Amino acid sequence: GENVEQHPSTLSVQEGDSAVIKCTYSDSASNYFPWYKQELGKRPQLIIDIRSNVGEKKDQRIAVTLNKTAKHFSLHITETQPEDSAVYFCAASGNTPLVFGKGTRLSVIA
Amino acid sequence: EAEVAQSPRYKITEKSQAVAFWCDPISGHATLYWYRQILGQGPELLVQFQDESVVDDSQLPKDRFSAERLKGVDSTLKIQPAELGDSAMYLCASSSGGGSRSYNEQFFGPGTRLTVL
Repeated sequence: GENVEQHPSTLSVQEGDSAVIKCTYSDSASNYFPWYKQELGKRPQLIIDIRSNVGEKKDQRIAVTLNKTAKHFSLHITETQPEDSAVYFCAASGNTPLVFGKGTRLSVIA
Repeated sequence: EAEVAQSPRYKITEKSQAVAFWCDPISGHATLYWYRQILGQGPELLVQFQDESVVDDSQLPKDRFSAERLKGVDSTLKIQPAELGDSAMYLCASSSGGGSRSYNEQFFGPGTRLTVL
């Protein structure tokens, strides 16, 4: 089955700097890659997703890149703000339901 | 804006007792998921429904867990008997897509935090 690895597990950045979170997956049939943000005590919320027919997608300060050959995808947050502090989860699905990574705790220091 | 509803939000029980969680998905969403999220980890799928049918329950510990979605709308997840290791957040999600190859966004409920003493 699918296995998703996510790095780093924790990340601290200064406000205004960029943050990058990386994930790898094992199932070459996976073709849908969402990213979720979970604030403390709240539900996971989708922030961006990408499908295998594109290599990059951008939404304001957030972008996701996908390398199907290497089976990895990354989340990029530019001009980070304190409200970006949360746990971020990547996930992958294709022949199987969504499999989530273990999460990255991002702290943006003002 | 429509949201997935779950109840209760918190549940404390003693081991060997039975517990039940309820989920009401977004209206019109055919696919419903139950996840377990252990503190510090990502959600893990327990069971997926397409309408009233189970699509995937391969990770559901069937000796103690059961789930149903009798009318294809709301759903109940039950644990009997509860064990100490069941302490976790139980999340429900729904999507408008169908089957295991769902490309549609999953909307999560607020979760039920279970503590087993």
